[in-house]
Amino acid sequence: NAGVTQTPKFQVLKTGQSMTLQCAQDMNHNSMYWYRQDPGMGLRLIYYSASEGTTDKGEVPNGYNVSRLNKREFSLRLESAAPSQTSVYFCASSFRRRETGELFFGEGSRLTVL
Amino acid sequence: QKEVEQDPGPLSVPEGAIVSLNCTYSNSAFQYFMWYRQYSRKGPELLMYTYSSGNKEDGRFTAQVDKSSKYISLFIRDSQPSDSATYLCAMSAGNNDMRFGAGTRLTVKP
Repeated sequence: NAGVTQTPKFQVLKTGQSMTLQCAQDMNHNSMYWYRQDPGMGLRLIYYSASEGTTDKGEVPNGYNVSRLNKREFSLRLESAAPSQTSVYFCASSFRRRETGELFFGEGSRLTVL
Repeated sequence: QKEVEQDPGPLSVPEGAIVSLNCTYSNSAFQYFMWYRQYSRKGPELLMYTYSSGNKEDGRFTAQVDKSSKYISLFIRDSQPSDSATYLCAMSAGNNDMRFGAGTRLTVKP
């Protein structure tokens, strides 16, 4: 039972490069999320998708775009990476709304922007 | 001021000790309270979930919510080395908004 799978697990970019983080869940969850985790800041929501076909901004959406490709997959794109986007990125999913239900997280993608 | 404050630690205790982890918050609308556990290089996993005020117990873990003081706690009894992890509090008003604390790093020494 894979749960939430993120790729890649590690990535180093130069300033200005672009990349896409991929996420897939096999739990038939309706909602999916992208968070970033920085020391001393906790988890902050970048974007979320409450259901297939919808996406909404979270707390820190600037510099990111997302695509809910289907019910299983939710990708996060950095169009022009900046050093401030160096972080650990987590994808999560939930059956119900995240504030009333359990979030299931992937293992994270560690991104360094030089 | 952050909406959710959590002492980052690190906290180091001997095996068998009682551990107390805490968060304070400023938004009086929060009514859903959660504790997530995160092992090194892994994603967080839900440990405890509480709605509104009161206590909830699950094995060696007890979650307490005091809404009048805007203060939540997680107690771990008979702590084990396998409890060594970062513990994140999280809370929500149920209005599609959710906030995490920064996490407290706990080490339980054999």
